[in-house]
Amino acid sequence: GDSVTQMEGPVTLSEEAFLTINCTYTATGYPSLFWYVQYPGEGLQLLLKATKADDKGSNKGFEATYRKETTSFHLEKGSVQVSDSAVYFCALTMNSGNTPLVFGKGTRLSVIA
Amino acid sequence: NAGVTQTPKFRVLKTGQSMTLLCAQDMNHEYMYWYRQDPGMGLRLIHYSVGEGTTAKGEVPDGYNVSRLKKQNFLLGLESAAPSQTSVYFCASRRGGAGYTFGSGTRLTVV
Repeated sequence: GDSVTQMEGPVTLSEEAFLTINCTYTATGYPSLFWYVQYPGEGLQLLLKATKADDKGSNKGFEATYRKETTSFHLEKGSVQVSDSAVYFCALTMNSGNTPLVFGKGTRLSVIA
Repeated sequence: NAGVTQTPKFRVLKTGQSMTLLCAQDMNHEYMYWYRQDPGMGLRLIHYSVGEGTTAKGEVPDGYNVSRLKKQNFLLGLESAAPSQTSVYFCASRRGGAGYTFGSGTRLTVV
């Protein structure tokens, strides 16, 4: 079945460092891809998404590009802040109607001042 | 505020007890989902619903039942709780093609 693999955490960075969280997927067609963020004690919030190859999703300084050739959707941010400390989930859904989201296992990011 | 509301937020059960988790959304969304979140496992789909009166099994349905009698509510039931069901449960909803809206979660401990 469809699946998402993301890099193991935890990731610890100093403030203003560059962030990359790798995400690759396996799917039988061409899915939509998402990054969700979960702050401590909260539910998941959509961070960004891309619905077709070569699309770039961006939000709050985070970016990810849908790469069909490498089946990847890596999350990047040029300069992280302490407030970015959270768990990040990569996810996919097929573009046919009601297919549920399939999540990766999550990557915990800690940013220290 | 509009969104997805889960009740209760916390619960401790004894093995063998039953309970129902309630998810309510006021956005007129067609689709609703129950996930469980466990350390190192990400979110795994338990059951979902594509409309009022319909339900379907997800990846880890055993030990759970669901009902969607009203469009705005999606109930998750545990008939006989087991320690393996200790988890954080998240409900989500969406309109077709749109993004998911998640509730804030229910932390369940089975002792």
